[in-house]
Formats: sequence, C-alpha cells, structure tokens
Amino acid sequence: GIQVEQSPPDLILQEGANSTLRCNFSDSVNNLQWFHQNPWGQLINLFYIPSGTKQNGRLSATTVATERYSLLYISSSQTTDSGVYFCAVEDGGGGADGLTFGKGTHLIIQP
Amino acid sequence: SQTIHQWPATLVQPVGSPLSLECTVEGTSNPNLYWYRQAAGRGLQLLFYSVGIGQISSEVPQNLSASRPQDRQFILSSKKLLLSDSGFYLCAWSVHGTLRHVGPLHFGNGTRLTVT
Repeated sequence: GIQVEQSPPDLILQEGANSTLRCNFSDSVNNLQWFHQNPWGQLINLFYIPSGTKQNGRLSATTVATERYSLLYISSSQTTDSGVYFCAVEDGGGGADGLTFGKGTHLIIQP
Repeated sequence: SQTIHQWPATLVQPVGSPLSLECTVEGTSNPNLYWYRQAAGRGLQLLFYSVGIGQISSEVPQNLSASRPQDRQFILSSKKLLLSDSGFYLCAWSVHGTLRHVGPLHFGNGTRLTVT
C-alpha cells in the first residue's frame, strides 16, 4: 500500500517562531488532508488539499502532487499550536480504501 | 452545521467483557462513517468504514465488529475484549461518496479504552 512519511518527527520551538512540516507519499493520491491533534486527543481537520495552496489564518499548506509531497506552514506559533500534526492521503493507485495516515509530527511550542 | 457525538469518553473494561461504543452524526444525511484506532505512539489505523445502512467493510481482521443500524449511527462492538484492544478509538464522518473520493474527514472526540 501507499507509504506516508512525515518529518520531522518531533519539533520544539519558542512562541512566535515559524515552522514547516513535511509529508512525503510514495504513490499518486486522490486527496490529502492535514489534521491537528491537541493534547486532549481531539483531531481537527486543518486542510483538504489534494493539490495547490490554501491558507487559513496563520496556517497554510501546499501540495505538489506530481512530486509527491505536501508542506504545512505555521507562522507566529502560539502555545495552542502544540500537539501532533498528521498528514493523511487517499491512495489514487487502486490500493486500500479510506485514508492512510502518517505517524505525525509532534510539535511543542514553549512560551 | 454538522456535529459528531461519540461516547463514552473513557472506559475501563476487564479482559473477556463485551464492548459497545456508539457514534452519531447530526446535520447531514447518508454520511460515510469510519472507526479508527490510535494505539500509543500516534499512528491511526482504519478499522471499519460504512457507506450506508447495513454496509460495513473491515480493513483489519480482529476481535472487533461494527454495525450501522441507522443512517447516522455507527457502533463498534466486541464480544470478548483482549488486552490488545486497549487504545484510543475515534469515530469519523465524511460526505457520502465512494471511498475513492473521500471528502474532508471530521472526527469525534474519541473514547479512551483500557482493558485490564
């Protein structure tokens, strides 16, 4: 099946810093989504972005499907940005149904 | 707007006991519904999905089963829990469609299950 790799696995930053999280995938995809899991376990959908660029406040994401990667940008980090960020893809090559998740990037924003 | 409810939030059950976790969605019709499990260490694994009432597909052979008795109700069950069933169980929904075109996925708050 399709492989999803996220980097870095862990990231510690000071409040106000910017960060870039990367998601690489091994095959063509029908869609790609970014999620944020807060320390209480709640998973929030950030972006549905099979291709192109989207922005939502301090967050933006870019997917280059032809090169099989996506980037999530967080600017002016706040402590509430802490948590785990997941990338998930749907296999466009006829593989398993549903979304395949990466292992996530654990982000800690220190005050 | 659409909302998803999942309960209970936490559950401690002895080995060999039955399990029933329930999930309901409001504000949409005929959604795709999913059960995921997140073990310690972050990764999410798709357990079951449903594209309609009574239609259940399983991704992973295991000690669990799922049912969809109503359009917006999804239930995860087990007859006899194992220690390895411990984990964080998340229900999710997306707009109806074939799974080749999954729309934005929205999760419930999850159930933290500990089997002792």
